[in-house]
Amino acid sequence: GAVVSQHPSWVICKSGTSVKIECRSLDFQATTMFWYRQFPKQSLMLMATSNEGSKATYEQGVEKDKFLINHASLTLSTLTVTSAHPEDSSFYICSAGSLLSYTFGSGTRLTVV
Amino acid sequence: AQSVTQPDIHITVSEGASLELRCNYSYGATPYLFWYVQSPGQGLQLLLKYFSGDTLVQGIKGFEAEFKRSQSSFNLRKPSVHWSDAAEYFCAVVPNTGTASKLTFGTGTRLQVTL
Repeated sequence: GAVVSQHPSWVICKSGTSVKIECRSLDFQATTMFWYRQFPKQSLMLMATSNEGSKATYEQGVEKDKFLINHASLTLSTLTVTSAHPEDSSFYICSAGSLLSYTFGSGTRLTVV
Repeated sequence: AQSVTQPDIHITVSEGASLELRCNYSYGATPYLFWYVQSPGQGLQLLLKYFSGDTLVQGIKGFEAEFKRSQSSFNLRKPSVHWSDAAEYFCAVVPNTGTASKLTFGTGTRLQVTL
């Protein structure tokens, strides 16, 4: 079946640094990539939607200059958390969407210290 | 406003007992419906989905769900729960537009299985 490879699975970074999270769709092309954030014991909160070759569409309240999304190809999308702060610590999940099939990455646990 | 409701935040069942997780949606038209499972620290795995046709949908791991238009519900069931089913379960919907629109998730139901 379709697989989305998300890396890293966990990362610890210092406050003020930037972190890049990658999601790759294996053996299929993802026309749309969704990025979610999940707080402990809560549901997924959509941050942004990106289509290959286009600028991402951010949900209300999500800072586009802080959470940079790049979707340069049909198999790769990246989320960069810029100038990370402790409040950005969270679980981030990507999802590749194609023809009503949504495949999720395994998530990235970001801890900012 | 479009919404998905999972009324049960937390459910505990004994291993071998039957399970039903509730999901109700509020949409202008019947959306596409999904059930996902999430183990701690992991991504989401699709259990099953409903687009049209037979209202009883079979999924993986012995799960099934029944779409009831009159009740705007898509409840997930399993006849006999295994300890490995302990996880978080999310119901999700997407508008019936034929494109990869964003999923709207319920708040999730945490399933605990006692031995």
